[in-house]
Amino acid sequence: AQKVTQAQTEISVVEKEDVTLDCVYETRDTTYYLFWYKQPPSGELVFLIRRNSFDEQNEISGRYSWNFQKSTSSFNFTITASQVVDSAVYFCALSRNTGGFKTIFGAGTRLFVKA
Amino acid sequence: SAVISQKPSRDICQRGTSLTIQCQVDSQVTMMFWYRQQPGQSLTLIATANQGSEATYESGFVIDKFPISRPNLTFSTLTVSNMSPEDSSIYLCSVLGLAGLNTDTQYFGPGTRLTVL
Repeated sequence: AQKVTQAQTEISVVEKEDVTLDCVYETRDTTYYLFWYKQPPSGELVFLIRRNSFDEQNEISGRYSWNFQKSTSSFNFTITASQVVDSAVYFCALSRNTGGFKTIFGAGTRLFVKA
Repeated sequence: SAVISQKPSRDICQRGTSLTIQCQVDSQVTMMFWYRQQPGQSLTLIATANQGSEATYESGFVIDKFPISRPNLTFSTLTVSNMSPEDSSIYLCSVLGLAGLNTDTQYFGPGTRLTVL
């Protein structure tokens, strides 16, 4: 069975602080994809990053970085020098494409960035 | 980049009525999905909309309550039937296989915010 755990329900930081959002997953598949999505107050789900199970290389995009470690089944997301516009709910998700495409979402982490 | 639109963006409905939500993509896609997001919750897959055939529903969701159509590769509808206040949620259309983007990534429409009184 697949499962995605985001243990942090809410995080509150002050602007310019760094913050890491944790994601731990469970799967028996050898081929899978991991995602992060951002949901601002407007409600739209915005795709941030995709990682496939064979690519453990970490990625940096501006103030965003992602750390994928298969050994600990984790795919953590760090925002450096947070800004008020980063305030949103962030979802980690796990997809498989064997026997039909299926995506499991974590419960989400609500991030508040205060000015 | 491809655009996914949903109509209506929001609605307030009376219990016992039905609402049909439309999802339009400006390019053909491989798969289309419908999700529900109840207030303060994560996303739950309702069904996969299959082109030209009946949708594939997840456990806990039935066709009589959530009929879905997908007449072609760019359009789908979800109807929420005989609504009750418990149906108040955001309903999101999602697609896979958008041309020019990651083919194994789901992209989402802006959502339809439904309130049932």
